[in-house]
Amino acid sequence: KAGVTQTPRYLIKTRGQQVTLSCSPISGHRSVSWYQQTPGQGLQFLFEYFSETQRNKGNFPGRFSGRQFSNSRSEMNVSTLELGDSALYLCASIGWAGRQETQYFGPGTRLLVL
Amino acid sequence: DQQVKQNSPSLSVQEGRISILNCDYTNSMFDYFLWYKKYPAEGPTFLISISSIKDKNEDGRFTVFLNKSAKHLSLHIVPSQPGDSAVYFCAASARGSGGGADGLTFGKGTHLIIQP
Repeated sequence: KAGVTQTPRYLIKTRGQQVTLSCSPISGHRSVSWYQQTPGQGLQFLFEYFSETQRNKGNFPGRFSGRQFSNSRSEMNVSTLELGDSALYLCASIGWAGRQETQYFGPGTRLLVL
Repeated sequence: DQQVKQNSPSLSVQEGRISILNCDYTNSMFDYFLWYKKYPAEGPTFLISISSIKDKNEDGRFTVFLNKSAKHLSLHIVPSQPGDSAVYFCAASARGSGGGADGLTFGKGTHLIIQP
């Protein structure tokens, strides 16, 4: 099976702009979650989608939003970018490893805000 | 408040010896724990997990031990190989699955270096 794909892999934006990142989960997986990784805060949960509905949300401002389409592909959007939004954004596809659900991560999108 | 802590930012081990990576947690609601391995410029790769109903889970060279009373888990890699050099993340969930009400909570990682 193909893994989780994320596009674009790298992105440079300036403060105040907005950005949209895309994630395609592993075929057959219906849940997708998003994480932000920064050197200071580590990996932090943004939100999770299942069947086009946001199921859970982390502690991030409303500038961070997402959606999921009927084919399970997901997008996340960050509006009014700030310098602190520079990070690696990881998408994870949720499936089964044995009898437990597990999150399988994509390679990430590295966002640099100037 | 950091709910999952990996107190060793880095660990150096000789090839062929045992690598032991440690993780402590504070949230007693966590009932599922995972270890991920991450190379630079790649996403984390799932390694092994353990449910709170068990105290040990083994998969090839990787074994995870869980001590619920101490709120401590460890990952043992035996024998250590050069390809094991990477950053290892401990993660925890409170929903008994791969995600929780707040998604996975991650530690900040331990950089394992395998010396030839």
